Amino acid sequence: QSVLTQAPSASGTPGQRVTISCSGSSSNIGRRTVNWYQQLPGTAPKLLIHKDDQRPSGVPDRFSGSKSGTSASLAISGLQSDDEADYFCAAWDDSLIGLVFGGGTKLTVL
Amino acid sequence: QVQLVESGGGVVQPGRSLRLSCAASGFTFSDDAMHWVRQAPGKGLEWVAMIWYDGSNQHYVDSVKGRFTISRDNSKNTVSLQMNTLRVEDTAVYYCARDPSKSGWAFTDWGQGTMVTVSS
Repeated sequence: QSVLTQAPSASGTPGQRVTISCSGSSSNIGRRTVNWYQQLPGTAPKLLIHKDDQRPSGVPDRFSGSKSGTSASLAISGLQSDDEADYFCAAWDDSLIGLVFGGGTKLTVL
Repeated sequence: QVQLVESGGGVVQPGRSLRLSCAASGFTFSDDAMHWVRQAPGKGLEWVAMIWYDGSNQHYVDSVKGRFTISRDNSKNTVSLQMNTLRVEDTAVYYCARDPSKSGWAFTDWGQGTMVTVSS
C-alpha cells in the first residue's frame, strides 16, 4: 500500500489527452512539491515534471503537471505510442521524514 | 554529461551483507544530495535512503532502518549503501539518483541500476 495513491492503469488512443492522478495527504503533497517520473520498459526512471508543474529541458510540452490541495495530476496530450510506460508521482513526506512514491500507473496506448 | 554507475549487486543468502556503490561524474558531486531507490521485480519504485550533500544527515525508509547505511566520499565522487541482515524482501534493482539542491526532492539523474537477489 503506497502512501501516494495512483490508479494502476490508464489508456488512450493516439492523439488523445490522458490524465493520471496522484492522491496524498497534508504531510506530503499538501505541503511539498510533487515530481513525476516516466519509466519505459526495462529502463531507469526519468524525471518528467518537477516542482508540481515544471518541465526539465528536453521534456515535450505535451506533458504537464498540476496540483490542488493534496492531489496532483499529470496530463499527456497528443498521446503517442512512445508514451506507453509506467508513470510515478513522488513527494517528500514530513511525517515519515522520507520520500514517498505512488504505486505507479501503467499507461497503454491503444 | 552526467553519469551514475552502480555496482556491487549480486546473489546473497538471507542474513548476509552486501555493499553497493555508485560512481558519479559530469557534475559537482559535493553540491548534491544522493539517494538510493529500489524496485522489486514487477513492482513500483520504493525510496530507500538519502544522504545530504556534505554527508551530515541521512534518512531511511522504516523497513531498512538499523540494517542499511548510506555514506558518501566527496573526494571520490561515490555514494555507497551498506546492506546488512538482508531479507528476501530486499530483492530488487537498486538505483542511485541525484538530487540537486533546490530541486524540490527531484531526482534529475539515475543510474542504470544494479540487481540484488536475496535467496537461500
